[in-house]
Amino acid sequence: DAKTTQPNSMESNEEEPVHLPCNHSTISGTDYIHWYRQLPSQGPEYVIHGLTSNVNNRMASLAIAEDRKSSTLILHRATLRDAAVYYCILNMYGGSQGNLIFGKGTKLSVKP
Amino acid sequence: ETGVTQTPRHLVMGMTNKKSLKCEQHLGHNAMYWYKQSAKKPLELMFVYSLEERVENNSVPSRFSPECPNSSHLFLHLHTLQPEDSALYLCASSQDEWGANTGELFFGEGSRLTVL
Repeated sequence: DAKTTQPNSMESNEEEPVHLPCNHSTISGTDYIHWYRQLPSQGPEYVIHGLTSNVNNRMASLAIAEDRKSSTLILHRATLRDAAVYYCILNMYGGSQGNLIFGKGTKLSVKP
Repeated sequence: ETGVTQTPRHLVMGMTNKKSLKCEQHLGHNAMYWYKQSAKKPLELMFVYSLEERVENNSVPSRFSPECPNSSHLFLHLHTLQPEDSALYLCASSQDEWGANTGELFFGEGSRLTVL
């Protein structure tokens, strides 16, 4: 399975943008990039996913490098509620949802 | 509110007890999953059900026994557990098991299990 590498932790100030990086140098052409986050005492929740083009939704933006070996999750204005562990995960096109392998993720702290 | 409800939220049991965790999804999904999250460890997939049929069992000890009576309900029956089984047990569902590029997993809030 293609693996991802994320920093263990990051800090941000409230109302500032946050860029969460993810390296996936062994990504294959059919792998989708998924992001989930897990708030304290809750189950993970879906954030966004993409293949090649940058993606935007109400929660965040996903910027994917041209060579697809890295991606960045962008939170445009961090709030205290965004403090969570963020997971970057690869899964192949049409793959089983059970193949989503949650690593250690990046623990994001948001300071008021 | 994710549409996936887990009960109980907290459970304490002795090693000789038998208990069950329950998961219910109100999303009309066809696939359901059990995950285990131990302290300081990544999520581990335990079981996958698709259209009420078990499709994957990731070498989980037999003291964990899943049951999926219909597409909306999933149970995890627990018996003769060990203290190292103490963890957060998470249930998830998705529209279908396959098609990860289009779907997403919806998780419940989890059941925190403590085995004494």
